[in-house]
Amino acid sequence: SQQGEEDPQALSIQEGENATMNCSYKTSINNLQWYRQNSGRGLVHLILIRSNEREKHSGRLRVTLDTSKKSSSLLITASRAADTASYFCATVVRGSQGNLIFGKGTKLSVKP
Amino acid sequence: GAGVSQSPSNKVTEKGKDVELRCDPISGHTALYWYRQSLGQGLEFLIYFQGNSAPDKSGLPSDRFSAERTGGSVSTLTIQRTQQEDSAVYLCASSLDAPGDTQYFGPGTRLTVL
Repeated sequence: SQQGEEDPQALSIQEGENATMNCSYKTSINNLQWYRQNSGRGLVHLILIRSNEREKHSGRLRVTLDTSKKSSSLLITASRAADTASYFCATVVRGSQGNLIFGKGTKLSVKP
Repeated sequence: GAGVSQSPSNKVTEKGKDVELRCDPISGHTALYWYRQSLGQGLEFLIYFQGNSAPDKSGLPSDRFSAERTGGSVSTLTIQRTQQEDSAVYLCASSLDAPGDTQYFGPGTRLTVL
């Protein structure tokens, strides 16, 4: 069963604009991770944020985590056409063996 | 190796046949995970290996699915008597050690059952 729900399901923006994707989850987590997927194949890890962290940055990516609301957001600043992909949040449930529980993803389209 | 590799990249089979999917994790990674991605179900966890043992098989959808890992490295996912609903992309991931570590994914095997 899926833990995370991303919002929006699809997002279309112009190059240079910022893109914000949100993720909600249901149970206590160890950490939350964001992945990117091009063309329905391999997933690329973007960023991991632990349950005791509130914000993390990596290049043009900014991730926030609010454990009280069980939600996270991924911000991509100054988007590029190459950022076009599907983005998934995935949680590691506290006490689990570390398997990821994925949301349904946000399909981002960045128009040049 | 540089990353997780999977073979074959595509597999087309007839309903009722058995298939084997292979995963080569990153060298030195003790944890290995299998997931599958289908249009209807999204990304689902199947099974987790720590070394050669599988402490979590909770995601395997039926007893037609099995997996093994040998030498703490290569893993094989076997689907017996394939059904059309088994059509999906099967993804393998490995991580260094502890639960919750970053997982590195292979390119996947696209399975089509006719």
